[in-house]
Amino acid sequence: DTAVSQTPKYLVTQMGNDKSIKCEQNLGHDTMYWYKQDSKKFLKIMFSYNNKELIINETVPNRFSPKSPDKAHLNLHINSLELGDSAVYFCASRTGGGHEQYFGPGTRLTVT
Amino acid sequence: DAKTTQPPSMDCAEGRAANLPCNHSTISGNEYVYWYRQIHSQGPQYIIHGLKNNETNEMASLIITEDRKSSTLILPHATLRDTAVYYCIVRDLQGAQKLVFGQGTRLTINP
Repeated sequence: DTAVSQTPKYLVTQMGNDKSIKCEQNLGHDTMYWYKQDSKKFLKIMFSYNNKELIINETVPNRFSPKSPDKAHLNLHINSLELGDSAVYFCASRTGGGHEQYFGPGTRLTVT
Repeated sequence: DAKTTQPPSMDCAEGRAANLPCNHSTISGNEYVYWYRQIHSQGPQYIIHGLKNNETNEMASLIITEDRKSSTLILPHATLRDTAVYYCIVRDLQGAQKLVFGQGTRLTINP
């Protein structure tokens, strides 16, 4: 069974559109993350939720809005997509007090 | 910003031990050393972590110097599937425990 899953795996869209990426974990973890990996392969934290509460919000444009409907899900909605948003977005989760973060397979977003 | 320094790339022959160094000279007393790897096009994968003592699991061994300013990840019998970018990360257990990734070391295992 997949521990951390993301949908879709690939997303191609045009500038100006609004899109969402979904993440689900079946590990019973209470903390979830969104990371962004750009074309230069740098991985950076974007957001983190703990028990549906936002606890990390890095310097990310407010076009990006995370939403956690429950502990097992963390979605990322992006408004007015720009070329620079093209990247691979990874979701991750961790149990409270745990050392290990489990990552999803990634969503490759291409904005044309 | 990442608080670790790693060589950008390394090569290792299949079946040999791969030793990946990491410098973390500014590590504080309550910070752990973590290693993750990212195989091409996949999500990062946790390998091992340690605080002071050397650690070993089914994937690798972690050797931390006595002053804790550097460490070495050892893959004892490297296989082609170990070709990946390896990240050394230091952080404490406070707060949300975000991972700050540096450039990592691109390890290539050669047949």
